[in-house]
Amino acid sequence: SQTIHQWPATLVQPVGSPLSLECTVEGTSNPNLYWYRQAAGRGLQLLFYSVGIGQISSEVPQNLSASRPQDRQFILSSKKLLLSDSGFYLCAWSRTGSDEKLFFGSGTQLSVL
Amino acid sequence: RKEVEQDPGPFNVPEGATVAFNCTYSNSASQSFFWYRQDCRKEPKLLMSVYSSGNEDGRFTAQLNRASQYISLLIRDSKLSDSATYLCVVRRGNTPLVFGKGTRLSVIA
Repeated sequence: SQTIHQWPATLVQPVGSPLSLECTVEGTSNPNLYWYRQAAGRGLQLLFYSVGIGQISSEVPQNLSASRPQDRQFILSSKKLLLSDSGFYLCAWSRTGSDEKLFFGSGTQLSVL
Repeated sequence: RKEVEQDPGPFNVPEGATVAFNCTYSNSASQSFFWYRQDCRKEPKLLMSVYSSGNEDGRFTAQLNRASQYISLLIRDSKLSDSATYLCVVRRGNTPLVFGKGTRLSVIA
């Protein structure tokens, strides 16, 4: 069966510090991968998605970036965090060719202070 | 206008009640529709897909009205465990899913 791992679960970082969140999927190959953010009281916002290694689509311009160094690994990064980067970050995957059903990781609660 | 809009809630209902959530979408080219459930500080999970003819899964019934660009979710005989936020989700073509902000439901004993 397929599983998705996302870590860490909780992160507290000072403004201006770097960020690296990692997500890996097991039990499937060539998945579509996604990073979402959910700010307090707001809906899920798609940040990045990837249909293959090295292929990243950015939905919202900001100081975040994403990379897919391996087929089942998706990394969200920032060189300098802002207060507005605080939120609940969710990695997700779907089967190749169809993103009709998303399977989410357990999320990372990021607080930038 | 947002692409997916939902009743903001919260809906506070007693156990055993029937509750309905509404959702409208703005893009008539939308093709696929879903309801996801999200518990507090947890990841969203697929509750059910929504088909044109309407579909039922136990106590849950989903309806789609393409003419009015409207989706609904009906929960019968509410349980305490139904307390969660319900997310309306839409897909247009090959673009990624678009999530509504969600409707919060609290079922009270």
